[in-house]
Formats: sequence, structure tokens, C-alpha cells
Amino acid sequence: NAGVTQTPKFQVLKTGQSMTLQCAQDMNHEYMSWYRQDPGMGLRLIHYSVGAGITDQGEVPNGYNVSRSTTEDFPLRLLSAAPSQTSVYFCASSYSKSSVHNEQFFGPGTRLTVL
Amino acid sequence: AQSVTQLGSHVSVSEGALVLLRCNYSSSVPPYLFWYVQYPNQGLQLLLKYTSAATLVKGINGFEAEFKKSETSFHLTKPSAHMSDAAEYFCAVSGDTGRRALTFGSGTRLQVQP
Repeated sequence: NAGVTQTPKFQVLKTGQSMTLQCAQDMNHEYMSWYRQDPGMGLRLIHYSVGAGITDQGEVPNGYNVSRSTTEDFPLRLLSAAPSQTSVYFCASSYSKSSVHNEQFFGPGTRLTVL
Repeated sequence: AQSVTQLGSHVSVSEGALVLLRCNYSSSVPPYLFWYVQYPNQGLQLLLKYTSAATLVKGINGFEAEFKKSETSFHLTKPSAHMSDAAEYFCAVSGDTGRRALTFGSGTRLQVQP
């Protein structure tokens, strides 16, 4: 199993540009989520999904869209990039949407810089 | 609502010394608690988790943590630090049944001096 994969690893955008961060998992996990990591703030939840076709907002959803058309994929879209979105983005997945203590598996991250 | 506080953004120990990383939590429902480790330029890896089965939890790489409900704490310890333990450590809580998500602390960077 490849686990959770993310592409690209690094990205530089100009203010106002749009892009999609890709996330895929091959573990047949129901639950997937996106976090952003900023210095001194830990990880904060952006959006999450409990299954194909079902998404919901997390703690910091503004400026981001998600969709979940398949169990495997959970892309994160930046509609109009802003410098405040400069961060490291992590995708995570876990087996069951019904268990709050399932381990979450994290991807390697995407480092995004917005100029 | 739930939150996590990690005391000390940086901790430095000598190789062979005790490691103690502090975590206090707040949760309106019975919590599930986790410690994750992040090595440079990598994702997060689970060290251990508390799910109410036992208050003393053993994890990978010789780490363990004790859940103390009266103190709302879940401190991470290792009897003898190794150079390879240098990393950033995150405490997290889950229990918000609506989101099934983790709420993370701000992290503690562990340095191990030779």
C-alpha cells in the first residue's frame, strides 16, 4: 500500500491564482481530512469528508473548496490564492467515520507559498 | 468544544536523560488522546493513543503516556532520550462526535544534545 499520497510536494503561486492540491489513499478509508500547519499553531482542520459525496467544513474553511467523488481521492482547491494561505498542507485518512479513536494516517504534506 | 495545551514549545535534553513533554486537554465529552511525532519535512506518525482501555499507554520507540483525568493531562515520557528522538511532537484530542477530527496542540520541538 502507498498509504496517503499528496501532490505536489512544493508549489509557489502568485496572489489570485487558483490551484488544486491532490490527495489519494489506497486503504479504503471512509474518513478523509485536510489540515494546514502554521508555525506555533499546530494543525488546524480545513475540511473533512466521511464518505464519497459527503463533505463538511472544519475550523478554517474560508478560501478552500473540496469534493469527494470517490473513496480514494479528496482534492483541495484554492480558488484565489492569498499570502495568508502560505502554509504546509496535510491530508489525512482513517478507517471508520463512526469511531472517534481511529488512528489518522497522514500524507507527506504540500508546502505552498503564495507571493 | 475541545482544546489542547502543550507547555513548552521547545524542550532540550541530553542523550540518555528523561524526556517529559507536557499536554493538557479540555473536552466536553470523554476524550480520546493521541501523541504524534513529526520528523523534519515529513508527515505525522502516530506514537500512541488513549482510548479508555488503560490509563498508561505504551507506544513506539519506547515512549509512553499516562492519562490523568483529575489533572486533565496526558504527558509523554521516555526514560532515556536518543539522538533519533529529535523531532516535533504533537498532542491531539478527539471526541467531538460531529467532526471526527483531531484538535492539535501547538507542538513541542524536542532537541537531544550529545
